[in-house]
Amino acid sequence: EAQVTQNPRYLITVTGKKLTVTCSQNMNHEYMSWYRQDPGLGLRQIYYSMNVEVTDKGDVPEGYKVSRKEKRNFPLILESPSPNQTSLYFCASSFRRDWNSPLHFGNGTRLTVT
Amino acid sequence: KQEVTQIPAALSVPEGENLVLNCSFTDSAIYNLQWFRQDPGKGLTSLLLIQSSQREQTSGRLNASLDKSSGRSTLYIAASQPGDSATYLCAVSQTGTASKLTFGTGTRLQVTL
Repeated sequence: EAQVTQNPRYLITVTGKKLTVTCSQNMNHEYMSWYRQDPGLGLRQIYYSMNVEVTDKGDVPEGYKVSRKEKRNFPLILESPSPNQTSLYFCASSFRRDWNSPLHFGNGTRLTVT
Repeated sequence: KQEVTQIPAALSVPEGENLVLNCSFTDSAIYNLQWFRQDPGKGLTSLLLIQSSQREQTSGRLNASLDKSSGRSTLYIAASQPGDSATYLCAVSQTGTASKLTFGTGTRLQVTL
């Protein structure tokens, strides 16, 4: 089954404790992206990747890191989480060579930073 | 900077009714527009994608239209069902930066029996 898999689904952590949210897709997609969703603000793009070893900032990259060492994986790293990073996070992917192909989303990771 | 607005924020209709959801955007230089559905606790599912050169797309009971010049798109749902209850979001990608999507905040739809 074609899918985007995020882990964990729920995460509660404390300020300053490094964490990684994993994202993997099995559709051989070149493009992958991370979003955060906050009430009243909608989805905002954090980082995106056009292909292996190619990443770029979205609208709200501060406090986040990403890497793309393999085509299928695009982890989101919070080196020193803060309470304002409490949010619902989504990973998504699509065929880059066809920007008119739909975006596929994971089921989300709800992060709480205390 | 592109801004995407969806009004109303919430909508409740009785089963069987036809309904229209609205999406407006400020910059008409878009590459495409997508409509998504989001169920509670789930990710987004792509419903329809309209390329900038197209005027509408249809899938089953769903029909999405695009008017670039006026900066508007509508999602028409025919013969609504309780299973259509969800939040519907639209997103646009800009010409020249097709990798970047700007989302609206969504319309929460409830279809009642």
